[in-house]
Amino acid sequence: AQRVTQPEKLLSVFKGAPVELKCNYSYSGSPELFWYVQYSRQRLQLLLRHISRESIKGFTADLNKGETSFHLKKPFAQEEDSAMYYCALSLTGGFKTIFGAGTRLFVKA
Amino acid sequence: GAGVSQSPSNKVTEKGKDVELRCDPISGHTALYWYRQRLGQGLEFLIYFQGNSAPDKSGLPSDRFSAERTGESVSTLTIQRTQQEDSAVYLCASSSQAGSYTEAFFGQGTRLTVV
Repeated sequence: AQRVTQPEKLLSVFKGAPVELKCNYSYSGSPELFWYVQYSRQRLQLLLRHISRESIKGFTADLNKGETSFHLKKPFAQEEDSAMYYCALSLTGGFKTIFGAGTRLFVKA
Repeated sequence: GAGVSQSPSNKVTEKGKDVELRCDPISGHTALYWYRQRLGQGLEFLIYFQGNSAPDKSGLPSDRFSAERTGESVSTLTIQRTQQEDSAVYLCASSSQAGSYTEAFFGQGTRLTVV
């Protein structure tokens, strides 16, 4: 069965420290993976997708098919990065998107 | 508007009453999702529509919950005989299956409070 696992419910780091939000997926097909973010009092929105190989707000994520992982990383966390982060898997053909349970990132001053 | 719209934005209801939550997806988006987000919690999948049919209803928590979609557009989530544990933000999202561009666009949510 298709599944997205985010093992950490809460991640707390100090400003300026590196941060890594973990995501593992289970899917036998060719995955499309995404990270979504929800800032306080804002709607959930796309942060980045693996096919674009982009860096958004200093965040990057690399798809590792061998480890079935898509961890989100940023070398120096900022207080404004505090938010809820969701990893998502879109199945082949885009017929369904599955979200992980989310990780709340708290960046302390 | 160009985005996903949900109404009402807030709903307070008495325990035992029925409520209907509405979602207007982005025009042309064939996939539509409902999620529930309890305070401080992550996304809980409820139901997924492909066109007007719902191939996956596995997330509906009980038979008090139902959803429909018409015209491959508007969707309504109905909760019958509401309970206090139904209090949450209900999120709707839509996506297009055009090529591989499958970003999900979210509405602002309906905050349901059962008193």
